[in-house]
Amino acid sequence: DTGVSQNPRHKITKRGQNVTFRCDPISEHNRLYWYRQTLGQGPEFLTYFQNEAQLEKSRLLSDRFSAERPKGSFSTLEIQRTEQGDSAMYLCASSFGGIEPFFGPGTRLTVL
Amino acid sequence: QKEVEQDPGPLSVPEGAIVSLNCTYSNSAFQYFMWYRQYSRKGPELLMYTYSSGNKEDGRFTAQVDKSSKYISLFIRDSQPSDSATYLCAMRKSGSEKLVFGKGTKLTVNP
Repeated sequence: DTGVSQNPRHKITKRGQNVTFRCDPISEHNRLYWYRQTLGQGPEFLTYFQNEAQLEKSRLLSDRFSAERPKGSFSTLEIQRTEQGDSAMYLCASSFGGIEPFFGPGTRLTVL
Repeated sequence: QKEVEQDPGPLSVPEGAIVSLNCTYSNSAFQYFMWYRQYSRKGPELLMYTYSSGNKEDGRFTAQVDKSSKYISLFIRDSQPSDSATYLCAMRKSGSEKLVFGKGTKLTVNP
């Protein structure tokens, strides 16, 4: 499969725990994005990387959220001290040059 | 007022019908427009993108943009049950990589 892959696909955690998600973009895509989608809503932008540089970051990305993309390949999104309001689908997307982003299948987070 | 407005539906049509999906936006800085299709519990799939006012056709799908009215549409001809999904409009400003999405319209095509 040559699409965007995300792991894990589902994560259930207790409030206050830390969680980390991984995204592997399409090979040779230098742009990588994280979005969050809650039920009945469209995806909301969280952050964007070009290679390893984090170039845009939403105000939605509070201090408890951090994203990295070491060496410009895969990316991780960490949420510290999870809250019930963090329950959502976390989507990763990648692109290259003038094309629009291709999305992965998402990681569904449930915070109990 | 949200930057992008999209009627969430749901919309139910018989197989073979022509479907019209629409979004309006308030910020004239949006220059690039996309439509994504999202099946239940899956990630969004890019259907079409267009960067100028007018129509763009791809098979049974036509994307239409009217920048003067801040209105975009997606038409699906000869709709099929496999078209049943949520359709999301998205747009971004020149110089920004941030996509702003509508809420999505849930479409059901009945056999």
